[in-house]
Amino acid sequence: AQKITQTQPGMFVQEKEAVTLDCTYDTSDQSYGLFWYKQPSSGEMIFLIYQGSYDEQNATEGRYSLNFQKARKSANLVISASQLGDSAMYFCAMRGDSNYQLIWGAGTKLIIKP
Amino acid sequence: DAGVIQSPRHEVTEMGQEVTLRCKPISGHDYLFWYRQTMMRGLELLIYFNNNVPIDDSGMPEDRFSAKMPNASFSTLKIQPSEPRDSAVYFCASRPGQLPTGELFFGEGSRLTVL
Repeated sequence: AQKITQTQPGMFVQEKEAVTLDCTYDTSDQSYGLFWYKQPSSGEMIFLIYQGSYDEQNATEGRYSLNFQKARKSANLVISASQLGDSAMYFCAMRGDSNYQLIWGAGTKLIIKP
Repeated sequence: DAGVIQSPRHEVTEMGQEVTLRCKPISGHDYLFWYRQTMMRGLELLIYFNNNVPIDDSGMPEDRFSAKMPNASFSTLKIQPSEPRDSAVYFCASRPGQLPTGELFFGEGSRLTVL
């Protein structure tokens, strides 16, 4: 069975500091994809970044990077130089080759302090 | 390009009433998903369609819930009769079949409150 675990229910971080949000996964698929989404207080789900299991380089999108450690089955999101607007819920998700749906973590609530 | 469009954004109804949530996916997207989000259970997949055909409805809670996709540009999620425990945010999401990354594009959600 596939599973996503986010162990940090909430985090407080000082503005301009870097943030690492943890995500571990479990799957028996050889090929899979890992996603991070942001959900601000307004409620919409915003896609941030994607990492394929065969990608050799860690994915980066602006201030977002994904620290992919395949052997440890971890896919942590790193936000550099955090901003007040980064305050939101962050969800890690996985899609395996065996299905087309995403398996979601419980989310981490990130609060950036001024 | 317009994103996924959901309506209504907010719905307040009384127990026993019928609720219909609507979704217009992004044009050209082959897959459409309905999710429910609550504090207690997080994001739950209710059903998804491929080319207008329901593929997996195992997440639909019970017979009170039904979903249809009569054409590629419209889907509905209906709850009849509604109950207070149905109160949640319901998301519609779509994705194209050929996108290698497979990320979902979400609508803004429909917040349902059943009194």
